[in-house]
This record gives sequence, C-alpha cells and structure tokens, in this order.
Amino acid sequence: ELKVEQNPLFLSMQEGKNYTIYCNYSTTSDRLYWYRQDPGKSLESLFVLLSNGAVKQEGRLMASLDTKARLSTLHITAAVHDLSATYFCAGSMNSGGYQKVTFGTGTKLQVIP
Amino acid sequence: DTGVSQNPRHKITKRGQNVTFRCDPISEHNRLYWYRQTLGQGPEFLTYFQNEAQLEKSRLLSDRFSAERPKGSFSTLEIQRTEQGDSAMYLCASSLVGGGNEQFFGPGTRLTVL
Repeated sequence: ELKVEQNPLFLSMQEGKNYTIYCNYSTTSDRLYWYRQDPGKSLESLFVLLSNGAVKQEGRLMASLDTKARLSTLHITAAVHDLSATYFCAGSMNSGGYQKVTFGTGTKLQVIP
Repeated sequence: DTGVSQNPRHKITKRGQNVTFRCDPISEHNRLYWYRQTLGQGPEFLTYFQNEAQLEKSRLLSDRFSAERPKGSFSTLEIQRTEQGDSAMYLCASSLVGGGNEQFFGPGTRLTVL
C-alpha cells in the first residue's frame, strides 16, 4: 500500500523568501502529483510528474521527482502572499488498470507580507 | 463552465437521516472518483467508476454508503443513517483514460451531521 508523507505540515514564511516542501512516498509510485487547495475550496492540479528526474515549473513554483529516493520536492521562489494555501502531493499506483491516487496530509503555507 | 460540478455545496443534516450528493464530471471524462476529506487531512479515496461500472471501493466505504453512475455520466453518492463521523467534505473528480490520470476535482459538498 502506498503511503505519502509531506513535511513540513505547516510553513510560515516571509514574502520574498525561498523554501522547499518535501514529499516522501513508501513504495514505487507510477506518477507524482502536486495540488493546491485554498480554504473551503477544491483542489487545483499544479503538476504531474511522470518519470525520474522530471522537473516542471510554473511561475514561482517548481516541482521535481527523484524516483530512486522516492522523493518529490515543491520549491517556492520569492514567495508572495497569493501563494498562501495548502499544498498536497499525491502518488499513484496501477490498480486494476487505473491509477489509484493516495494523498499526503498536506502542507499549509502561510506567506506573511 | 465545463469543469466538474457538485451539488449541493453544503448539506446540514441530523444524525440518522439519509443524504444524497450529485457529481457531474467533465463531459468527455469516462473515469469518476469519490473522495472524502476531513479537516486537516488529505483526500481519502472512496470509490471509482469507469463509465457506469463501479470498479473499486475503499474499506472506508461502509455498507451505509452507496454510489452509482447509472448512465456513465453523472454520479450520486448516498449515505444512509448518517453519523456525526460522516461530517466531511466529499469531493468528486474525473479523468480521461490515457490522460496521464490527471484528476480534475469538483468544488466538493461539505456535509455537517448534527
């Protein structure tokens, strides 16, 4: 069974600073996803990482995947207040022909002006 | 708006009552998923449909829970004899076969059981 752990669980950072959220998973995961969730809202897909060494960037967010270390990172560059949200990583495994997704507990990010 | 929609957005009910939620996926998506999310946690998988067939159910889905997708389009999730522990956000997602399994989530239905 796939288990996904994120750290830190809470992150308070000042605007303009850089930081990294870590996502470890317990066993082989076919894909790695990053989602953003604003309070009371649903999940917004940020990145889908498919292979070892994959790196994707969108604005101030960059996600990477190291399948050998079973580790994905979400790096935040020069944080701005609008990035305040909860970020989830999720892994997936083939389950009878579809990818069953398992989520981590999330990292609540607060960017302080 | 062609995204995933869910109704109602909020539901308050008394313990012991039955509730039903509806999910309309993105129109061309043939896979549909239900998740439950409690406060401070990530979504937990409940069940999955490919077209009208329910192909997997989580152990979390007790016999009080039933889901259907009768024509392979919209889906309903019914909870019978609700309990306070059922209070959560119920999320629906859909995806396309071969689309990298990227799941697109609806806004969720927040259930409060008094």
